[in-house]
Amino acid sequence: DAGVTQSPTHLIKTRGQHVTLRCSPISGHKSVSWYQQVLGQGPQFIFQYYEKEERGRGNFPDRFSARQFPNYSSELNVNALLLGDSALYLCASSLWWGGTDTQYFGPGTRLTVL
Amino acid sequence: DQQVKQNSPSLSVQEGRISILNCDYTNSMFDYFLWYKKYPAEGPTFLISISSIKDKNEDGRFTVFLNKSAKHLSLHIVPSQPGDSAVYFCAALTGTASKLTFGTGTRLQVTL
Repeated sequence: DAGVTQSPTHLIKTRGQHVTLRCSPISGHKSVSWYQQVLGQGPQFIFQYYEKEERGRGNFPDRFSARQFPNYSSELNVNALLLGDSALYLCASSLWWGGTDTQYFGPGTRLTVL
Repeated sequence: DQQVKQNSPSLSVQEGRISILNCDYTNSMFDYFLWYKKYPAEGPTFLISISSIKDKNEDGRFTVFLNKSAKHLSLHIVPSQPGDSAVYFCAALTGTASKLTFGTGTRLQVTL
């Protein structure tokens, strides 16, 4: 079975632009979470979606938004990019939300903002 | 406010020896803990987990110990192998939410 897939692998943007990152969960998984990993830090929780509804939101500005589609894939959108948004963006999928269901991560999208 | 802390940025261990990675947490609401391993250019891979109702969980060469009173957990790898060289993240969550809170990671290097 295919694991979590993310696209694109790498992305370079300039300040002020917007970006859309995509994630396809493991088949059968209905929950998708997004994390941001800045160099030298652990991943930071951004959003969780389950059955197309937002189930959790981390401490990120409103420039960050996400959605989940009927096929359970997800998009993360970031508007008005700042230099500090440069990071590895990780998507994780799990069977459901809440509790201790194991989250499986994709390889990430490396975003560089110039 | 770093609720999950890994105070050792790096660790070097000889092949065949035991690797011990440590993690401390401050939030008493955390009741489930996980270890993830990360290779360069890959996403974190789940290794092992432990519930707060246990003090030990074992899976092959990997054992996680939890000391709730000290708010401390550790991952033991025995015997260490060169393929274990990676960054290890400790993560925690509460039973009611799937939001993982990660530590900053420990880079393990297993030498020949």
